[in-house]
Amino acid sequence: NAGVMQNPRHLVRRRGQEARLRCSPVKGHSHVYWYRQLPEEGLKFMVYLQKENIIDESGMPKERFSAEFPKEGPSILRIQQVVRGDSAAYFCASSPWESNTGELFFGEGSRLTVL
Amino acid sequence: DAKTTQPNSMESNEEEPVHLPCNHSTISGTDYIHWYRQLPSQGPEYVIHGLTSNVNNRMASLAIAEDRKSSTLILHRATLRDAAVYYCILRDLIQGAQKLVFGQGTRLTINP
Repeated sequence: NAGVMQNPRHLVRRRGQEARLRCSPVKGHSHVYWYRQLPEEGLKFMVYLQKENIIDESGMPKERFSAEFPKEGPSILRIQQVVRGDSAAYFCASSPWESNTGELFFGEGSRLTVL
Repeated sequence: DAKTTQPNSMESNEEEPVHLPCNHSTISGTDYIHWYRQLPSQGPEYVIHGLTSNVNNRMASLAIAEDRKSSTLILHRATLRDAAVYYCILRDLIQGAQKLVFGQGTRLTINP
């Protein structure tokens, strides 16, 4: 049973470049969540998606950030024109449509460094 | 999601029990109490959850106060691998799948 897979695990970008982070949920899970963790800080919710739909993007910055979860393929978190403040660990989590426990399964994270 | 309050840090010794407290005085009747932990350089992992009754699983026990305004996560015999940040989170499952809102959590240090 493969868990949540995130790639790349580490990504280095220069200011102004684009970063694309990918998340493959647990097989059969239709809910995906993205979180950001700045150094020495807690996890901040960014966006919650179901297949082809954004359900809650209340934690997403209004500019430069976008997320999708297409019918086929992984969920993508895209950061355009990165700045140094975007340097953080980005975690993806998934859950099934019906979850008796409400458990979210997290990936190992993608660590973005902006030079 | 209702707010929870946890101590910033706790320390314990290996092979001793650890009691991690959480206050949630504004909990609603449909809020479940969830605990997650985050080991260094890893993603969070689910530990346990409960509604009203005390719960046990292979990782830990959850003791819930009778008025549900507080709860305690119990690690019966701490190991060095239990050193992590522990998050107590309230989640209303009646409304279906929702995001988890993480607070600052309790950083648990285990001394050998």
